[in-house]
Amino acid sequence: AQSVTQPDIHITVSEGASLELRCNYSYGATPYLFWYVQSPGQGLQLLLKYFSGDTLVQGIKGFEAEFKRSQSSFNLRKPSVHWSDAAEYFCALRGGNYQLIWGAGTKLIIKP
Amino acid sequence: DAGVIQSPRHEVTEMGQEVTLRCKPISGHNSLFWYRQTMMRGLELLIYFNNNVPIDDSGMPEDRFSAKMPNASFSTLKIQPSEPRDSAVYFCASLGPAYEQYFGPGTRLTVT
Repeated sequence: AQSVTQPDIHITVSEGASLELRCNYSYGATPYLFWYVQSPGQGLQLLLKYFSGDTLVQGIKGFEAEFKRSQSSFNLRKPSVHWSDAAEYFCALRGGNYQLIWGAGTKLIIKP
Repeated sequence: DAGVIQSPRHEVTEMGQEVTLRCKPISGHNSLFWYRQTMMRGLELLIYFNNNVPIDDSGMPEDRFSAKMPNASFSTLKIQPSEPRDSAVYFCASLGPAYEQYFGPGTRLTVT
């Protein structure tokens, strides 16, 4: 079955510290994977996507993600977080008929 | 491009009233998705259209909900009659060329 798991509901990091948000997927073929960010009261914004090629993908706002087929993972990273990065982050997998299969989201809290 | 446009941004209505939410997808995008987001259930896909044709409406909660896409640049989601449990943020998204979805800012619906 196709699924996306984000094991961390909340993560707290200090401003300026590095960040890694976990995402694991289950899919039979080469997946199309996405990370989205949702700031409070806002819509979902696409951070980055992977569907082939280089397994390290660069996105907007200084984020990157690494696709690891052997671990069925697509973790999101940022070397140094800013207070404005506080938001909810969603990992998603393209399912059938162009639909996205969504993870439950990880809420990022930034400590000053 | 202006991105996906939704209106209204906020809607407050009384139980039993009809509510119509509107969406204009990004020009050239052939698929459109309606989602509902609540704290309890997270992000739920309600219905999606491809080339103006509804493909999967299995997420529509009940007959009170209906959606139309009369042309490639406009879609509506209607709730009639509305109930307090319909209170949520409703998002529209259109599908880009690499299967990524672009979201509108959402409509926050409150049914009293």
